[in-house]
Amino acid sequence: AQSVTQLDSHVSVSEGTPVLLRCNYSSSYSPSLFWYVQHPNKGLQLLLKYTSAATLVKGINGFEAEFKKSETSFHLTKPSAHMSDAAEYFCVVSETDSWGKLQFGAGTQVVVTP
Amino acid sequence: EPEVTQTPSHQVTQMGQEVILRCVPISNHLYFYWYRQILGQKVEFLVSFYNNEISEKSEIFDDQFSVERPDGSNFTLKIRSTKLEDSAMYFCASSGGLLSNEQFFGPGTRLTVL
Repeated sequence: AQSVTQLDSHVSVSEGTPVLLRCNYSSSYSPSLFWYVQHPNKGLQLLLKYTSAATLVKGINGFEAEFKKSETSFHLTKPSAHMSDAAEYFCVVSETDSWGKLQFGAGTQVVVTP
Repeated sequence: EPEVTQTPSHQVTQMGQEVILRCVPISNHLYFYWYRQILGQKVEFLVSFYNNEISEKSEIFDDQFSVERPDGSNFTLKIRSTKLEDSAMYFCASSGGLLSNEQFFGPGTRLTVL
């Protein structure tokens, strides 16, 4: 069985400072891992994905994530937060034996202060 | 840029009534999904659909739920007799292929059952 744990429900950062959103997963198979972002009243948008290629994955808007199998982690980072990064972020896992079913974490709400 | 659309954006219904939530996936996609998010809870997988049949469904997707692709462009979720606990945001998604292919999400339909 697969599951995802996002370690922080809320993160508050100052504009221009680094952002770190933590995610741990458990999976019986080789997982695909994703980060999605949801801005208020908008759909879910893919930030980046890991699918067993490079362990350091670069996404849109300056975000990146590193897949660490030994730690079963897939933390999301950005060197310098922007006001437009305020949103909810979801860590998501999909297993190779499923028909693309995505398993979502609980989400991390990011607040960016000036 | 192609996008997934959903109608209506908000649906209010009385308990016991039937509702149909509509989605227009991206036109050349082959795989279709419904997810839901009860307020304050995780996004949950409901069902995946490929080649005009259900490929996978969750425990939530009981006999009260059905999906259909009636005309080659729409993808619908029907709830036969709504319950209070069906109140949630329902997201439709589509993808061109399995596994590492991105799922594109619609903006969601907020269903309120009174």
